Amino acid sequence: GAGVSQSPSNKVTEKGKDVELRCDPISGHTALYWYRQSLGQGLEFLIYFQGNSAPDKSGLPSDRFSAERTGGSVSTLTIQRTQQEDSAVYLCASSLGQPGRNSPLHFGNGTRLTVT
Amino acid sequence: SQKIEQNSEALNIQEGKTATLTCNYTNYSPAYLQWYRQDPGRGPVFLLLIRENEKEKRKERLKVTFDTTLKQSLFHITASQPADSATYLCAGGLTGGGNKLTFGTGTQLKVEL
Repeated sequence: GAGVSQSPSNKVTEKGKDVELRCDPISGHTALYWYRQSLGQGLEFLIYFQGNSAPDKSGLPSDRFSAERTGGSVSTLTIQRTQQEDSAVYLCASSLGQPGRNSPLHFGNGTRLTVT
Repeated sequence: SQKIEQNSEALNIQEGKTATLTCNYTNYSPAYLQWYRQDPGRGPVFLLLIRENEKEKRKERLKVTFDTTLKQSLFHITASQPADSATYLCAGGLTGGGNKLTFGTGTQLKVEL
């Protein structure tokens, strides 16, 4: 079966514009995560979904960032009024989400966002 | 804040030798650690998981240890090959944390002929 799919793979946008990043998780995976990876930095947690609910959105950097998940499947990360410091690779991951099983995360190849 | 630290300096070793990568954690006690491999332009790929009550885990040429006294995990690749060249990420998770992981910055490994 297909892995985690993210689109677009690259996005260049002007400062102040809004962007939407899409993630298609592995079918049947109930948990979905968004991380951000900047050059020389570790993966930074943004938000976690279990089904369509987001029990933990503590990593969202500001109220310009939001995410939703519909049908327990596709997720969209939206960044409003983009700033240059938003430039990074945005990674999505999914897992079986079985409580206590520490299921491995399956990552997509990310969306490289460049804000000019 | 909880932190996972990995050596940011690249590790260069000769083919056939054992590569050892270090992961230290501070300000928290992860219930488990996961190791991932990341190639340029790709997302991380899961390799191994070890829980706090496990001292050692093996999978083929890979071995990982978890020392809760030293607050450290070691990741070993035996009989290393040029194809093992990549960045290796250590990540820690807490019980009941929804499998939310805290990642280190990764260590780049280069295996030379």
